[in-house]
Amino acid sequence: EVQLLESGGGLVQPGGALRLSCEASEFTFSSSAMNWVRQAPGKGLEWVSTITSGGTSSYYADSVKGRFTISRDNSKNTLYLQMNSLRADDTAIYYCAARVYLAYWGQGTLVIVSS
Amino acid sequence: DIQMTQSPSSLSASVGDRVTITCRASQDISNSLAWFQQKPGKAPKSLIYTASSLQSGVPSKFSGSGFGTDFTLTISSLQPEDFATYYCQQYNSYPFTFGGGTRVEIK
Repeated sequence: EVQLLESGGGLVQPGGALRLSCEASEFTFSSSAMNWVRQAPGKGLEWVSTITSGGTSSYYADSVKGRFTISRDNSKNTLYLQMNSLRADDTAIYYCAARVYLAYWGQGTLVIVSS
Repeated sequence: DIQMTQSPSSLSASVGDRVTITCRASQDISNSLAWFQQKPGKAPKSLIYTASSLQSGVPSKFSGSGFGTDFTLTISSLQPEDFATYYCQQYNSYPFTFGGGTRVEIK
């Protein structure tokens, strides 16, 4: 069974930084595009970023472009999201998801941006 | 950006009902359309990809159809475990975008 386990969430002050991780198991991580999707409290789903299987290309929502960086380490089966210059409206549960069509999802990690 | 419009935003239905949810894209997305189910406090779950392909392990009461700009998700016979929020998503071009969701409630 495919498993995706996010970590790294927490409480951070506005303007601060956080790095999320997503460790994958039971599937061929290195062959799969990977994504981050977030959900603000009581709101719908918002795509954040995608990285290709080899890590050569990445894409971002306008709302995070220039502040967030997606990366991956295929030797560790791990996906990352470096989040800088965090704002209150970045508060959300952050999910990692595998494949371009988001076939598999982790359980999410909560990020709260507040002073 | 491609806008995804789901309708209805919510519906009330009874166990055993046939339910159809519609998703419309603001431009042609071919068949690059996925559907997800989300229950309260849980992560979304993939149901359908490429508009009509059933994700492994998803029961056949779920079906998807459509191409281009108009898509539907159908639940053939609603069961108690199907009461949830459903989202469509296009992955034809970046930025990927989700519909606003359809909440399926018990009548």
